Amino acid sequence: DGGITQSPKYLFRKEGQNVTLSCEQNLNHDAMYWYRQDPGQGLRLIYYSQIVNDFQKGDIAEGYSVSREKKESFPLTVTSAQKNPTAFYLCASSTRDRNSPLHFGNGTRLTVT
Amino acid sequence: AQSVSQHNHHVILSEAASLELGCNYSYGGTVNLFWYVQYPGQHLQLLLKYFSGDPLVKGIKGFEAEFIKSKFSFNLRKPSVQWSDTAEYFCAVNQAGTALIFGKGTTLSVSS
Repeated sequence: DGGITQSPKYLFRKEGQNVTLSCEQNLNHDAMYWYRQDPGQGLRLIYYSQIVNDFQKGDIAEGYSVSREKKESFPLTVTSAQKNPTAFYLCASSTRDRNSPLHFGNGTRLTVT
Repeated sequence: AQSVSQHNHHVILSEAASLELGCNYSYGGTVNLFWYVQYPGQHLQLLLKYFSGDPLVKGIKGFEAEFIKSKFSFNLRKPSVQWSDTAEYFCAVNQAGTALIFGKGTTLSVSS
């Protein structure tokens, strides 16, 4: 079955360490997205990529970095510069067709202590 | 900046009551509009979407939404809610070539 795989489901890190969250899709989608979900804040866009080797900052990109070297993969690195990294992170993908809805992964819950 | 506003943070209803969740957006021009739902412990699912045509859109599970361009609104409705509708509901908007922007969500609690 096609879908989006985020791993791991739970991730724990010490403050000051960078951590990379994985997102892989086998839907042959061109566009991929990273959102952060916090209680009462909804989903906020961190980064998105509409094509390989290209990506754009979302509303809350500070303290995060991404790469898009392959169509299937869009890893997100939470750097030590992110002031409040503990959150639930959702990866999504879509075709570039304007009628295409987002397909979401199951998310990674990151806890930084 | 473009934004999406959901007016109700938490809505509490009894079963069989009617539901209307508000959503307003601040984009100019042509927009695509979505409602997503997240049931407890599950991932986000698309409830319905609007791109063009009939402004009254029917989605899954008896939900519908009406696009009112003059009011920049896309409110979600259901005539009679069930306990299983307890979830968090997100309105989302984008324009061609841009990423989807979400509202802060509305938690719906339905008591049986």
